[in-house]
Amino acid sequence: NAGVTQTPKFQVLKTGQSMTLQCAQDMNHEYMSWYRQDPGMGLRLIHYSVGAGITDQGEVPNGYNVSRSTTEDFPLRLLSAAPSQTSVYFCASSYISGPQHFGDGTRLSIL
Amino acid sequence: RKEVEQDPGPFNVPEGATVAFNCTYSNSASQSFFWYRQDCRKEPKLLMSVYSSGNEDGRFTAQLNRASQYISLLIRDSKLSDSATYLCVANTGNQFYFGTGTSLTVIP
Repeated sequence: NAGVTQTPKFQVLKTGQSMTLQCAQDMNHEYMSWYRQDPGMGLRLIHYSVGAGITDQGEVPNGYNVSRSTTEDFPLRLLSAAPSQTSVYFCASSYISGPQHFGDGTRLSIL
Repeated sequence: RKEVEQDPGPFNVPEGATVAFNCTYSNSASQSFFWYRQDCRKEPKLLMSVYSSGNEDGRFTAQLNRASQYISLLIRDSKLSDSATYLCVANTGNQFYFGTGTSLTVIP
């Protein structure tokens, strides 16, 4: 049982580059979300989705795009990477009211 | 004002001690609540859901007080393996709000 799978686990980018963080779940959960975690800040919601074709913004959406074409996949796109986006990114999935199940994270550094 | 607030600690307790964490939430419409533990640099893992009547799972007891808008976690007979950061979570509408976490170190 894979649960929530995130790729890549580590990535280094240069300022201005774009990339996509992948997230897939095999639990048939309607709800998927992306968080970033920075020291002293806790987990902050970037974007979330309540089902295929439906996405919405969280607390810190600027600089990120998402799409949800299938129930299983919820990729996060960085449009033009900035050093302020250096962080640990977690994807999570759940039924609508939770609890959420997390992937093991992507550690992203932007130089 | 943050949606969910926790005392960051750190809490340093000896093995076998009982320790309690509280967490307050600001939105009275919050519907469901959870405690997670997070080990250093790893993903949060669900510890337990929190029910209105209170619930227990082994050494762990969670309580919800809707009138005062707080949830609590009690850990009895602390083990070295309980050392971690504990996150409380409130679900409001379609969003999950995480506290910044409370750090616990259990000392031999």
